[in-house]
Amino acid sequence: DTAVSQTPKYLVTQMGNDKSIKCEQNLGHDTMYWYKQDSKKFLKIMFSYNNKELIINETVPNRFSPKSPDKAHLNLHINSLELGDSAVYFCASSQARGGGTEAFFGQGTRLTVV
Amino acid sequence: GENVEQHPSTLSVQEGDSAVIKCTYSDSASNYFPWYKQELGKRPQLIIDIRSNVGEKKDQRIAVTLNKTAKHFSLHITETQPEDSAVYFCAANIASNTGKLIFGQGTTLQVKP
Repeated sequence: DTAVSQTPKYLVTQMGNDKSIKCEQNLGHDTMYWYKQDSKKFLKIMFSYNNKELIINETVPNRFSPKSPDKAHLNLHINSLELGDSAVYFCASSQARGGGTEAFFGQGTRLTVV
Repeated sequence: GENVEQHPSTLSVQEGDSAVIKCTYSDSASNYFPWYKQELGKRPQLIIDIRSNVGEKKDQRIAVTLNKTAKHFSLHITETQPEDSAVYFCAANIASNTGKLIFGQGTTLQVKP
C-alpha cells in the first residue's frame, strides 16, 4: 500500500539519451515535487506542481521537463542526459494548502549516466 | 536568499549517549520545521516536526526545540541506539502555499555499540 511510488528504482543510461521517471501518489495530496539528491546527500527541490499547475521551477536546465497529467501523477523527462545528471531523484507529495505540512517521499530513482 | 544551515555534518556517539543536531534558517516568515531521517539507500522519512507557535516538542527519545528570535532549531536524541545511525536532515518551509521545503546539508549520525 505504497503512498508515493516512483519507477524505475535504478536507471543506467548513456550520455545523450532521453529518459523518463514516473511518480504516483495515492494520498490525495494536492502538491507534488521532484527533488534531486547529489553525491554529497544534499536534497534540492527542482519542481513543484499543485493540481497539475507548475508552481515552483528552480534554476534547472530546460533539458528537464516535468509533466503532471493529473494531481496524482508527476513525471520527469530528461533530454540529452549528461554525466552531471547522475544523482538520486526523489518524488514527493504534500498537502500544501494552509502552510507547511509533511512531505512524503517516494523510494527514489538512482540515475547513473555513463 | 532562502537558506538552511545544519551542523555538524558528521556526528559519532556511543550507544546510550545523547546526540544534538543544530540548524539555522534565513527566512523569518518560515513557520514549519520538519526533521527527516534517511537510512542508507532509503527514502527520507519524517521523524518529528515543529511549528512556529511552539517552542519545544517531544516524542519518546527525540525532541525538537525552536528559537524563533534567533532563527535556530535543534534535534535532540537521547539514549541513542545503533538503529539511530542514519543521515538526518532539518528543513524549513518557505512561507507560502507552495509547500516548498529548504533542506539543511544533512548530518551523518553514527552510533557505536
